[in-house]
Amino acid sequence: EADIYQTPRYLVIGTGKKITLECSQTMGHDKMYWYQQDPGMELHLIHYSYGVNSTEKGDLSSESTVSRIRTEHFPLTLESARPSHTSQYLCASSSQGITEAFFGQGTRLTVV
Amino acid sequence: GENVEQHPSTLSVQEGDSAVIKCTYSDSASNYFPWYKQELGKRPQLIIDIRSNVGEKKDQRIAVTLNKTAKHFSLHITETQPEDSAVYFCAASKPGYALNFGKGTSLLVTP
Repeated sequence: EADIYQTPRYLVIGTGKKITLECSQTMGHDKMYWYQQDPGMELHLIHYSYGVNSTEKGDLSSESTVSRIRTEHFPLTLESARPSHTSQYLCASSSQGITEAFFGQGTRLTVV
Repeated sequence: GENVEQHPSTLSVQEGDSAVIKCTYSDSASNYFPWYKQELGKRPQLIIDIRSNVGEKKDQRIAVTLNKTAKHFSLHITETQPEDSAVYFCAASKPGYALNFGKGTSLLVTP
């Protein structure tokens, strides 16, 4: 079934650790996004990509980095996690043109 | 860049009443306006969208209206039910840019 998948769903890690949040979509979409959201709160765009080898920073300053080597894969990496990174991270994708974005289930990250 | 304002931040209605959520946008080049519903612990999902060449769109109990001149659009939910309780987000986008979301409205429908 075509969908957008995020792993892990939940992650608790210690301060200073390096982590990568995975996002893959089987919808054939060119555009992919990462949003940061505290539960029930505003969606902040932190990174987006319009295709392979294309990445841009979003409106919210973030210490994370992303890569887009394959169309279906858009991982997000935190080199050194801090408690301030505790949040939910939502990946999304959309097709070319002006269309809806489909969201993954999210990764709930806690840094202790 | 685009700035999307959403009001109210919280809304409580009795079951069966109507609910209205309003959004304004700043960039006149924006031409796509979706509405997302996010239930507790779940991902945001599209419930309705409208493009700038249309003034109103309806899907059963939900409708969206767009006023391009005033740069505002609204979500209308009629005959609300407890399962309508969720956080609703409006968004706006223009060609070549990502969706810009409002801050969300927490809707509570009480039986």
